[in-house]
Amino acid sequence: DIQMTQSPSSLSASVGDRVTITCRASQSISVSLSWFQQKPGKAPKLLIYAASRLQSGVPSRFSGSGSGTDFTLTISSLQPEDFATYYCQQSYNTPYSFGQGAKLEIK
Amino acid sequence: EVQLVESGGGLVHPGGSLRLSCAASGITFSSYVMHWVRQAPGKGLEYVSGISTSGGSTFYAKSVRGRFTISRDNSKNTLYLQTGSLKPEDTAVYYCARELRDSYYHMDVWGTGTAVTVSS
Repeated sequence: DIQMTQSPSSLSASVGDRVTITCRASQSISVSLSWFQQKPGKAPKLLIYAASRLQSGVPSRFSGSGSGTDFTLTISSLQPEDFATYYCQQSYNTPYSFGQGAKLEIK
Repeated sequence: EVQLVESGGGLVHPGGSLRLSCAASGITFSSYVMHWVRQAPGKGLEYVSGISTSGGSTFYAKSVRGRFTISRDNSKNTLYLQTGSLKPEDTAVYYCARELRDSYYHMDVWGTGTAVTVSS
């Protein structure tokens, strides 16, 4: 099974900051990677799919890049509503798998 | 409006079983691969199981293989997860999710979850 590893596991930032979260797959997954945002008590929300494609309705300050084994999620200018936990997920092989999450907190 | 609504969660003793359901509305249910994902209290997301549009192909995480069975009834627009031999570590909120498969595969619609607690 494919293992997904995110870093950092947690980070603190301020409104307006640029933030990058990375995700590494244990084998090449082409661009079969999604990013999700989750807030406490809520279901995950799809932000990015196919490594770099922005889901409809998601603000353009979110972007994704990468292919193969290394991927990044970037938030260009943090807004108050962006403080949440972010997960990557591979859809290259079943069973699918998630990274352990990156909790983004207010500095 | 596209909606997925899970039900069937609750408190169960170790070794017991529960059948979770996910009712879909606002979509052509039979056209979509469907999945279950869970989240233990204070922990991250964990992939559980998935099923093809016809139900002919199923996939499971190692942690539940042999204990859980995924199925679907396309005539009722409903996805199921039959859980068995439950362990305390199966305690989690269980979400169902639709997978969109156009040029790329991605889980674009999620339910609100149903909570399962395994405890004596």
